[in-house]
Amino acid sequence: GAVVSQHPSRVICKSGTSVKIECRSLDFQATTMFWYRQFPKQSLMLMATSNEGSKATYEQGVEKDKFLINHASLTLSTLTVTSAHPEDSSFYICSARFGGIGYTFGSGTRLTVV
Amino acid sequence: GNSVTQMEGPVTLSEEAFLTINCTYTATGYPSLFWYVQYPGEGLQLLLKATKADDKGSNKGFEATYRKETTSFHLEKGSVQVSDSAVYFCASYGGATNKLIFGTGTLLAVQP
Repeated sequence: GAVVSQHPSRVICKSGTSVKIECRSLDFQATTMFWYRQFPKQSLMLMATSNEGSKATYEQGVEKDKFLINHASLTLSTLTVTSAHPEDSSFYICSARFGGIGYTFGSGTRLTVV
Repeated sequence: GNSVTQMEGPVTLSEEAFLTINCTYTATGYPSLFWYVQYPGEGLQLLLKATKADDKGSNKGFEATYRKETTSFHLEKGSVQVSDSAVYFCASYGGATNKLIFGTGTLLAVQP
């Protein structure tokens, strides 16, 4: 149980376009989801906390207007990278909390902006 | 705030060697501690966890003990396999924050 599905797994887009990444909880309701960005040499950076039905809480230094997060239902959160540029190329991972301190992670999305 | 420090990699071992990846934490109060594993091109999977001092988490031959006196949660395995090659993340949750805080990750490469 507690599976999170993340799509797409890979996406290539042109500079200046927008890309949407979806994160779905398949067998549980996720009131809180998290979006991470993974930089080279592995480090994971928490970008924002997504709460169903309310605005996301962004970490310091993360541009709200560039990384739009929507959590409109208990099973779906989306991250939209707007006006993407090559420096936005990265591995993005979503996570959902369940059962108190349990966290389950999506399989990640490799974004390449050309 | 909470933070997690883990040894830098990469760690390169021969098959059947003993593995230790060090992890220490700072936190207000007593956080829960986790080890996650990330295989190439994939997301993170929970490997093991411990929620209070002296607890030992174990899974797939890996173990880690929550040591309050040394604020540590070192990951160990007695005999690694090639299939254990992955990135390992130490993480903490709790204390003054309700966020999962990760260490920088340690790349383990096991050679046959």
